[in-house]
Amino acid sequence: EVQLQESGPGLVKPSQSLSLTCSVTGYSITSNYWGWIRKFPGNKMEWMGYISYSGSTSYNPSLKSRISITRDTSKNQFFLQLNSVTTEDTATYYCARMGTVYYWGQGVMVTVSS
Amino acid sequence: EIVLTQSPTTMAASPGEKVTITCRASSSVSYMHWFQQKSGTSPKPWIYDTSKLASGVPDRFSGSGSGTSYSLTISSMEAEDAATYYCLQRSSYPRTFGGGTKLELK
Repeated sequence: EVQLQESGPGLVKPSQSLSLTCSVTGYSITSNYWGWIRKFPGNKMEWMGYISYSGSTSYNPSLKSRISITRDTSKNQFFLQLNSVTTEDTATYYCARMGTVYYWGQGVMVTVSS
Repeated sequence: EIVLTQSPTTMAASPGEKVTITCRASSSVSYMHWFQQKSGTSPKPWIYDTSKLASGVPDRFSGSGSGTSYSLTISSMEAEDAATYYCLQRSSYPRTFGGGTKLELK
């Protein structure tokens, strides 16, 4: 059974970078698609992007050049970096296996505040 | 970007009542996917490829639709079904979600 667990700081200052790790057990990240989704206060959900089994990436254009998703296959982990954050990036961030069926991690709440 | 509009935004149903939640897309999509989320937990896959139930989902749930109109139906509401349901389209990039339907027990 695939399990995903997010980790990272819960508080980030405006203009800094948000960095999160997703640790995957029970399934190799060299198969399938692995990505990030966030849920804003008020319940709106945004698909942020993914990294594929081959290492190719796809990002939501709304995030422009601020986002990067990378991976470490030796640790079976993948990562989110979101640069130049503002208070509007305050959300719960989920990592997910993005196959035909999406399997989600538990989520990590990130607040952007000075 | 394909915009998904769910209706209703909130609703309450009595035990045994039939429930239908609708998701309308701004452009045609091939399939629709649904998630259930309860407070304090992560979303769970509920219905995929429009009408296939995810593992463990009771068969009182069903999904249907095509093109720009899709729905999730509960044949007979039970207390455990109270949750927020989201639709998701995977037909084009970026993937997009509906705004959610909060279903409460009356």
